[in-house]
Amino acid sequence: NAGVTQTPKFRILKIGQSMTLQCTQDMNHNYMYWYRQDPGMGLKLIYYSVGAGITDKGEVPNGYNVSRSTTEDFPLRLELAAPSQTSVYFCASTTAGESYEQYFGPGTRLTVT
Amino acid sequence: DAKTTQPTSMDCAEGRAANLPCNHSAISGNEYVYWYRQIHSQGPQYIIHGLKNNETNEMASLIITEDRKSSTLILPHATLRDTAVYYCIVQNAGNNRKLIWGLGTSLAVNP
Repeated sequence: NAGVTQTPKFRILKIGQSMTLQCTQDMNHNYMYWYRQDPGMGLKLIYYSVGAGITDKGEVPNGYNVSRSTTEDFPLRLELAAPSQTSVYFCASTTAGESYEQYFGPGTRLTVT
Repeated sequence: DAKTTQPTSMDCAEGRAANLPCNHSAISGNEYVYWYRQIHSQGPQYIIHGLKNNETNEMASLIITEDRKSSTLILPHATLRDTAVYYCIVQNAGNNRKLIWGLGTSLAVNP
C-alpha cells in the first residue's frame, strides 16, 4: 500500500491564483481530513469527509473548498490565493473501525507571494 | 482548543528513557488518549493510544493514571531519530474522529 499520497510537494502561487492540492489514499478509509500547519504551530483542521459525497467544515475553512466524489480522493481547492494561506498542508485518513489512528501524507508546502 | 497540556520542550540523552507527560484533566469517560509525533515537518505519525489501561507497542509505552487526568508516553531507549514534536490528543470516536492539535512537546535527543 502507498498509504496517503499528496501532490505537489511544493508550490509557489501568486496572489489571486487558484490551485488544487491532491490527496489520495489506497486503504479504503471512509474518513479523510485536510489540515494546515503554520510554522511552530499545531495542525488546524480545514475540512473533513466521512465518506464519498459527504464533506464538512473544520476550524479554518475560509478560502478553501473540497469535494469527495470517490472513497480514494479528497482534493482541496484554493480560490484566490492570499499570503495568509502560506502554510504546509497535510491530508490524513482513518478507518471506520475500532482502531482509528489517522494516517498522514507527506504534506504540500505552499507559498503565496 | 486542545484539551491537553504538555511541556513545551524536553531533552533526553541517547539510550536513556524519554518520559513525556501530558495533562488532560477534563477528559471524558469515552475519550481515548492518543499520541502522535512529527519529525521535522513530515506528516505526523501515530504512536500509541489508550483508554484506561497501560499500553505498550513496538514504539512506546503509555501509562495512564487511574483517574485518567494525566498520562506519560515512554520511549524506553531514545535514539537520535526520536527527536521530534510529540502531540498528546484526547479523541472521541463519536466526533467524526476529528483531532484537536495543541503545540506538543519538542523532544531533543542528545548524543
